[in-house]
Amino acid sequence: DAKTTQPPSMDCAEGRAANLPCNHSTISGNEYVYWYRQIHSQGPQYIIHGLKNNETNEMASLIITEDRKSSTLILPHATLRDTAVYYCIVPKNAGGTSYGKLTFGQGTILTVHP
Amino acid sequence: DAGVTQSPTHLIKTRGQQVTLRCSPKSGHDTVSWYQQALGQGPQFIFQYYEEEERQRGNFPDRFSGHQFPNYSSELNVNALLLGDSALYLCASSRRMITQYFGPGTRLLVL
Repeated sequence: DAKTTQPPSMDCAEGRAANLPCNHSTISGNEYVYWYRQIHSQGPQYIIHGLKNNETNEMASLIITEDRKSSTLILPHATLRDTAVYYCIVPKNAGGTSYGKLTFGQGTILTVHP
Repeated sequence: DAGVTQSPTHLIKTRGQQVTLRCSPKSGHDTVSWYQQALGQGPQFIFQYYEEEERQRGNFPDRFSGHQFPNYSSELNVNALLLGDSALYLCASSRRMITQYFGPGTRLLVL
């Protein structure tokens, strides 16, 4: 998997936007950027993924730079329930549209304050 | 639509015993991956099953084995349990090995 670098921790005030950065400078042209989060003692939750265009769903937005070497996950209105470890992952393309294992780094611990 | 389910939720074993964990994938999914998460660490990939065959394997010893059934459900077996096998075991399902969705996990404690 392409190596990703994330800050170890971030804080955010409730109701404000949380912007979580990720560097993935060794990403290949056909590799996607995935974001998951894990709330304490629960299974990781899929948030969003993208290739080169910005993506948005009901949970978050993903902004990928034009050179694809970095991305930012945006939680537009953070709540206390968004406190979690956020993982940015670039899984190796196992061929065609198939992806294999997910390699989890240390992630970013996001703490949302009242 | 049921998500990924795992059973049991918790269990306690002693060293040397064997354990079987079970996973039912999300409806419409045909691929199951297993991960081990030690306390304070990120999940580590164990192996992945697709079409009832092991397709990829992480750096885990042969004591860890698995199976996928025709209905796509899967089992993870661990033999000769060690204290270090205590962890949260996560199952993730996907369709054709694309976006993986995780279950709640099984917490194993080895005494």
